[in-house]
Amino acid sequence: AQSVTQLGSHVSVSEGALVLLRCNYSSSVPPYLFWYVQYPNQGLQLLLKYTSAATLVKGINGFEAEFKKSETSFHLTKPSAHMSDAAEYFCAVSEKINFNKFYFGSGTKLNVKP
Amino acid sequence: DAGITQSPRHKVTETGTPVTLRCHQTENHRYMYWYRQDPGHGLRLIHYSYGVKDTDKGEVSDGYSVSRSKTEDFLLTLESATSSQTSVYFCAISYQGGNQPQHFGDGTRLSIL
Repeated sequence: AQSVTQLGSHVSVSEGALVLLRCNYSSSVPPYLFWYVQYPNQGLQLLLKYTSAATLVKGINGFEAEFKKSETSFHLTKPSAHMSDAAEYFCAVSEKINFNKFYFGSGTKLNVKP
Repeated sequence: DAGITQSPRHKVTETGTPVTLRCHQTENHRYMYWYRQDPGHGLRLIHYSYGVKDTDKGEVSDGYSVSRSKTEDFLLTLESATSSQTSVYFCAISYQGGNQPQHFGDGTRLSIL
């Protein structure tokens, strides 16, 4: 089974600073990759997805992620944090061989300081 | 927003009682999923369905069963609830499976005393 590792359960940045949230996956075959955001008491919303097209993927709200096969990584970045970015972020993968199943990381809570 | 409704949104019950959670979609998507969310674990797949009457187990399926008699409804049943099943449960749908994103409901907060 896949495993998804998100380094850092909590990340704190100042407003206007770079946001970097890390995600590594375990599969030797590059999977489909997703980032989701969850605001308090809500379900998850899709930020962006990678499905074998361009390795740099742009999403909503100014976020982007870069797929690096050699590092088995799919880190999420945003050049300038906004207070409204404070939320929990989840990386998820599904395997190309059995793509019925999704595997989620344990999540990273982003705090944005004024 | 995708048309996904979870019911109930909150439930408190006692150990040993049966509990059924419902997920209803209006998108006619083929795939439906049940997850539980616990602190430090992210979302873990309980069961999923890839069509009417077609279901399969996820990574934490023990103690849970599911049924899907119609495209739009996916039921999750705890036959005899235990305190370890206290969690937030999310339903998700997907048009085509893993190469397409999932859309999530707002969750059901279940407390088992």
